[in-house]
Amino acid sequence: AQSVTQLDSHVSVSEGTPVLLRCNYSSSYSPSLFWYVQHPNKGLQLLLKYTSAATLVKGINGFEAEFKKSETSFHLTKPSAHMSDAAEYFCVVIEPTSGTYKYIFGTGTRLKVLA
Amino acid sequence: DAGITQSPRHKVTETGTPVTLRCHQTENHRYMYWYRQDPGHGLRLIHYSYGVKDTDKGEVSDGYSVSRSKTEDFLLTLESATSSQTSVYFCATGQGSSGNTIYFGEGSWLTVV
Repeated sequence: AQSVTQLDSHVSVSEGTPVLLRCNYSSSYSPSLFWYVQHPNKGLQLLLKYTSAATLVKGINGFEAEFKKSETSFHLTKPSAHMSDAAEYFCVVIEPTSGTYKYIFGTGTRLKVLA
Repeated sequence: DAGITQSPRHKVTETGTPVTLRCHQTENHRYMYWYRQDPGHGLRLIHYSYGVKDTDKGEVSDGYSVSRSKTEDFLLTLESATSSQTSVYFCATGQGSSGNTIYFGEGSWLTVV
């Protein structure tokens, strides 16, 4: 079965400094991976996705993630944090099952941005 | 963003009462999902549907049932609500192919007292 592990439940950064949110995956084949963001009391919004094309994926709001097969990682980064980046972030892997697909979520990383 | 509407957005109910949450989509997506979100657990799949009248269980399906009589509507029913079902419920939709994005509704906050 596919799974994802988000290595940090909480991350705090100062505004203007780099952001790194870590995600490791477990998959028996080449996976499809996503990062979603959830602002308080809102639904989840897609940040970016990897589907076996370029290993460096660029998303919205300056975020990007690099797929590293050798490390089974898909870490999310941003060069300079903004106050509006404060939110919860979820790493997601797709699991094919019985002719369909399930989306398996990590437990989330809450990003705090300090002024 | 996909047009996904959840109703009700907020509900307080008593233990033992039935509750139905509705998800309505305007994107003609084949797949629809119900997740619950709880602190420390991320999102966990309750049930999903891959077509009209075609549904299957997720990882936390006990105490829940679903129905899909039309492409655009996916109902989640708690037959007899318990306090452990106090949660935020999210509906999502997608085309179901590998690599396809799923889109989320705004969530339904349910409190069982």
